[in-house]
Amino acid sequence: NAGVTQTPKFRVLKTGQSMTLLCAQDMNHEYMYWYRQDPGMGLRLIHYSVGEGTTAKGEVPDGYNVSRLKKQNFLLGLESAAPSQTSVYFCASSYDRNTEAFFGQGTRLTVV
Amino acid sequence: QQQVKQSPQSLIVQKGGISIINCAYENTAFDYFPWYQQFPGKGPALLIAIRPDVSEKKEGRFTISFNKSAKQFSLHIMDSQPGDSATYFCAAFPSLGGWDDMRFGAGTRLTVKP
Repeated sequence: NAGVTQTPKFRVLKTGQSMTLLCAQDMNHEYMYWYRQDPGMGLRLIHYSVGEGTTAKGEVPDGYNVSRLKKQNFLLGLESAAPSQTSVYFCASSYDRNTEAFFGQGTRLTVV
Repeated sequence: QQQVKQSPQSLIVQKGGISIINCAYENTAFDYFPWYQQFPGKGPALLIAIRPDVSEKKEGRFTISFNKSAKQFSLHIMDSQPGDSATYFCAAFPSLGGWDDMRFGAGTRLTVKP
């Protein structure tokens, strides 16, 4: 039982490059979330999805796009990476809006 | 602005000591207060949570104390062990809202020295 799996685990990008982070969950959860974690800031919600084909903005959505084409996958895209997007990104999923969410192991992204 | 303020930023405790981490919130709509434990290279995992209808909740060596009038809550780790060394996050959640309304504190890095 893998739970929530994120790929890649590490990535270094040059400013202006694009990339996609993949999150996959095998728990049949409806809700999925993307967070970023920065020192002194805790976890901040970027985007989330309440089901296949849906997405919604969180606290800090600017500079990111997401897609949920399949229920088990939630993709986070950076179209033109900036140094301010250097962070650790976590994906999470939950059965519904009010139940506990489970986190992946994170992706450490550095934009130089 | 951080809706949930957490202190201290880092904490060093001797083995067997008590670790105390404090959090404060402003939004009175928050009514579920979980604590997360995160080990290096891992994602956060739920440790213990409390609702404001009780002032204290204990699970093993971990206790949450809640002061509704002061809008403060704290995590106490009794008999702290080196294996407790991790980053701890408090959070607050309005049950009339949803997980997308969860707000996290900035985190406390706990080091327990042998």
